[in-house]
Amino acid sequence: DAGVTQSPTHLIKTRGQQVTLRCSPISGHKSVSWYQQVLGQGPQFIFQYYEKEERGRGNFPDRFSARQFPNYSSELNVNALLLGDSALYLCASSSRISRHAMETQYFGPGTRLLVL
Amino acid sequence: DQQVKQNSPSLSVQEGRISILNCDYTNSMFDYFLWYKKYPAEGPTFLISISSIKDKNEDGRFTVFLNKSAKHLSLHIVPSQPGDSAVYFCAALYENNNAGNMLTFGGGTRLMVKP
Repeated sequence: DAGVTQSPTHLIKTRGQQVTLRCSPISGHKSVSWYQQVLGQGPQFIFQYYEKEERGRGNFPDRFSARQFPNYSSELNVNALLLGDSALYLCASSSRISRHAMETQYFGPGTRLLVL
Repeated sequence: DQQVKQNSPSLSVQEGRISILNCDYTNSMFDYFLWYKKYPAEGPTFLISISSIKDKNEDGRFTVFLNKSAKHLSLHIVPSQPGDSAVYFCAALYENNNAGNMLTFGGGTRLMVKP
């Protein structure tokens, strides 16, 4: 079975541009979460979606938005990119949103974004 | 304000010995803790968890200890193997219906197990 897939794997943008990152969850998983991992730090929660509804939002500005599609795939959009948005963006999927579901939450390999 | 801290950025251990990775937290509302392992170019993978109603959870070579009064947890790996070399993240969460399952991660500890 395919794991969580993310695209693209790498991309380079300039300040002020907009970017869209994509995530395909494991088949059957209805929850997708997004995390930002800045170099040298741990992942930081951005959003969680379950059954196409936003269920959680971290402490990120409105420039960050996301959505989940009927097939449970998800997109993360970041507008007006800043240098500080350079990071590894991780997507994770799980079948449920209970705390124990965290043990079967699987992360994708991430998209590495560089903002110049 | 970092609510979950891993104060040792790196740890080097000889193969066969014990590895002890530490994690401290400040938010007393955290009641569920997880450890993840991350290899380069891969996403984190779940390793072991512990609920705040327990003080120890064991799974094979991995044991997590929780000291609630000290707001401290540790991951013990015995015996350590070269394949355990990776970055280890401690994460915490609490019941918050308005925030989803918002895992709060520590900064990670890079473990190197020498053959």
